[in-house]
Amino acid sequence: GQNIDQPTEMTATEGAIVQINCTYQTSGFNGLFWYQQHAGEAPTFLSYNVLDGLEEKGRFSSFLSRSKGYSYLLLKELQMKDSASYLCAVMDSNYQLIWGAGTKLIIKP
Amino acid sequence: GAVVSQHPSWVICKSGTSVKIECRSLDFQATTMFWYRQFPKQSLMLMATSNEGSKATYEQGVEKDKFLINHASLTLSTLTVTSAHPEDSSFYICSARDGEVGGQPQHFGDGTRLSIL
Repeated sequence: GQNIDQPTEMTATEGAIVQINCTYQTSGFNGLFWYQQHAGEAPTFLSYNVLDGLEEKGRFSSFLSRSKGYSYLLLKELQMKDSASYLCAVMDSNYQLIWGAGTKLIIKP
Repeated sequence: GAVVSQHPSWVICKSGTSVKIECRSLDFQATTMFWYRQFPKQSLMLMATSNEGSKATYEQGVEKDKFLINHASLTLSTLTVTSAHPEDSSFYICSARDGEVGGQPQHFGDGTRLSIL
């Protein structure tokens, strides 16, 4: 079956750095997406990785290792507004998005 | 950037009522749109994939006669929850993809919070 694993919840301090991991097992791979979802709101797109390596976009970076079925989202200089759920999603061989359950990130002052 | 508009944002209605939710891509054409459902503190659950000009593809366990999807144009898809009951109360979110499948992300509407009394 298809499976995406990410931690349920993480806590970090304002101004610090946090890494949210995602491991996947899917039938085929056509890229991995990270989304941010604030409580009660729809998800917003953060990043897309299809090749191995690190993609940097401001305070957020996303890393992919296809051989390991592994990705992480790195958030730097954490701000209170970064408190949200972060969803990892993999596009499989049928171009269907398989969603992880999301990681709830709590930022403390 | 790609903008998806979803309407209405909130619906509160009596049991037995049918509710229509609209999803529009405002600045791009979307051959494919997606309908999700999300219960509190749970992840997104794909209900169906809406294809312009053809029948929607429903996920296993989703009643197609209960959740009617119409994708009449490249910028509009609608979801109608027929004869809604309290157990249908949920957060419904649509998304659309801009461009070819490849690496294009899905862009989400703001969601519709449906409460059936």
